Amino acid sequence: ETGVTQTPRHLVMGMTNKKSLKCEQHLGHNAMYWYKQSAKKPLELMFVYSLEERVENNSVPSRFSPECPNSSHLFLHLHTLQPEDSALYLCASSPSASLEQFFGPGTRLTVL
Amino acid sequence: SQQGEEDPQALSIQEGENATMNCSYKTSINNLQWYRQNSGRGLVHLILIRSNEREKHSGRLRVTLDTSKKSSSLLITASRAADTASYFCATDLFREAGSYQLTFGKGTKLSVIP
Repeated sequence: ETGVTQTPRHLVMGMTNKKSLKCEQHLGHNAMYWYKQSAKKPLELMFVYSLEERVENNSVPSRFSPECPNSSHLFLHLHTLQPEDSALYLCASSPSASLEQFFGPGTRLTVL
Repeated sequence: SQQGEEDPQALSIQEGENATMNCSYKTSINNLQWYRQNSGRGLVHLILIRSNEREKHSGRLRVTLDTSKKSSSLLITASRAADTASYFCATDLFREAGSYQLTFGKGTKLSVIP
């Protein structure tokens, strides 16, 4: 919420839909992240991009496809999701490795 | 697996009291961070303590780190109703070049009653 924006804030989609989540940061950070937060589970790191290159991919199903066109923007493309993918998806950025991360407000995703 | 585990899972206190939350982790780290999350919102970074530091203060927050016990505590003094939130510790794996991978615990849900 401190310089990291996410759109949309809420999204309802059917299992056959294709949608994209967008994240934008104007903090001049080099790294951007996607996390998934489900009820009663720890925050799960999905993807990390550093200088527009993917540096971490934590065994995420292929129905989630990230894209980082430049250092300020990060997308998460969604296709053929399952109801269990319903969660809060959080984007974050950081200046460099092992430093504090700045989070966006999240997109609340519901898959019907 | 590398993971921070917070304790207790939930904590309810009266306004003005102090709140203490604990975090344990399993392997060597570069640093440990504490974050706060209001319901359904993004996380907000509170404080970062490096592996060679033992204590750090920021306003009403005090964080300690004991690397021999692989544990950390977050103390919030003189709590306010606005402190009601979930609090998470996050650890990164020790790597020479630093790590992008933060591992979060399940959090402590703090309720401060006015």
